[in-house]
Amino acid sequence: NAGVTQTPKFQVLKTGQSMTLQCAQDMNHEYMSWYRQDPGMGLRLIHYSVGAGITDQGEVPNGYNVSRSTTEDFPLRLLSAAPSQTSVYFCASSGLAGTGELFFGEGSRLTVL
Amino acid sequence: GNSVTQMEGPVTLSEEAFLTINCTYTATGYPSLFWYVQYPGEGLQLLLKATKADDKGSNKGFEATYRKETTSFHLEKGSVQVSDSAVYFCALGNRDDKIIFGKGTRLHILP
Repeated sequence: NAGVTQTPKFQVLKTGQSMTLQCAQDMNHEYMSWYRQDPGMGLRLIHYSVGAGITDQGEVPNGYNVSRSTTEDFPLRLLSAAPSQTSVYFCASSGLAGTGELFFGEGSRLTVL
Repeated sequence: GNSVTQMEGPVTLSEEAFLTINCTYTATGYPSLFWYVQYPGEGLQLLLKATKADDKGSNKGFEATYRKETTSFHLEKGSVQVSDSAVYFCALGNRDDKIIFGKGTRLHILP
């Protein structure tokens, strides 16, 4: 009954460090996406994928990379972290891109000092 | 491009009061519309959705009607409970495969 699993739940980085937020889903969903949640800004789409080998940019893609080598996994990479990337990150998946219900992970809280 | 605008919060109501949270959208074509709810410390979960004009989504006493003429999808509940305290997000999905969220409305229900 796992659904969407994100790791780690909490992370503190120094400016310039790199890291990867992991996301895995066990529902065989083709569509996966990453959002960041900031106070007063709601959720903003970073990157999304409609299937293995296919990724595309969302509203705020700068500073983030993604890849989709399998249906199950959709990692989000920060190559050189900046304080502006301090946020709560949510991974979500759906069985139907664009019009289907999104299933969310529990979130990853990232602080960049 | 697509966008969603929802009323600013926080909204504070007494238990059993009537709730309305306004949501309007801008989109090309015929988007699907959603309301998601986020309880403290959790991810978002779908509350209700509507996929075409005049559809009414409903769940747990909440309702919203897809109004294409006013480009709106307002969330309503006739009698709120303390357990409804949460953050509510209006969202839009379209053929471009991007699901876009509003900024969220925090709801506090007082006993």
